[in-house]
Amino acid sequence: GEDVEQSLFLSVREGDSSVINCTYTDSSSTYLYWYKQEPGAGLQLLTYIFSNMDMKQDQRLTVLLNKKDKHLSLRIADTQTGDSAIYFCAETENTGNQFHFGTGTSLTVIP
Amino acid sequence: DGGITQSPKYLFRKEGQNVTLSCEQNLNHDAMYWYRQDPGQGLRLIYYSQIVNDFQKGDIAEGYSVSREKKESFPLTVTSAQKNPTAFYLCASMEDGTDQPQHFGDGTRLSIL
Repeated sequence: GEDVEQSLFLSVREGDSSVINCTYTDSSSTYLYWYKQEPGAGLQLLTYIFSNMDMKQDQRLTVLLNKKDKHLSLRIADTQTGDSAIYFCAETENTGNQFHFGTGTSLTVIP
Repeated sequence: DGGITQSPKYLFRKEGQNVTLSCEQNLNHDAMYWYRQDPGQGLRLIYYSQIVNDFQKGDIAEGYSVSREKKESFPLTVTSAQKNPTAFYLCASMEDGTDQPQHFGDGTRLSIL
């Protein structure tokens, strides 16, 4: 089956940039997503990128996609304490019916 | 406001008991999903439904059952056959189409007494 992998933990200091990485195995992925989960809550969509794009920027968020290496990253500029959460990457294949989620990366922002 | 409502927020189950988790959406989405979340394991798909009166098993369907009698509702029953039901359960829905994201409810935390 499809695998989506992420590092489990990341710590950064407030004001620094955070980079959360994700690798996937499905070469037919069409859309790749980043979600944020705060404690005890559901997943909130942050941003997404189509597989024919290399980069997408949305305010403090930059998504980079290396389709050849099947590597996706999320950069958060000027990280704030409110950014502390679990971040999930997800990919979906051509039909769009099923999403495959990574294990999630727990980001801790140190004041 | 449109959204997905899961209830209850917290649920406790005794051994040998079935419990039902509610998921309602008013987004007019065709597809609905149930995931189980355990620490360090991400989200695992239990069941999904793309249309009323039809649903498919996901990766970990054993010990669970669902129904989809109405478009806006997709309840999940955790049966006594599920030996390790303690987890955080998330419901999601999405519009039909390859470029549509999944939208999530706030989850239900199920614990064994």
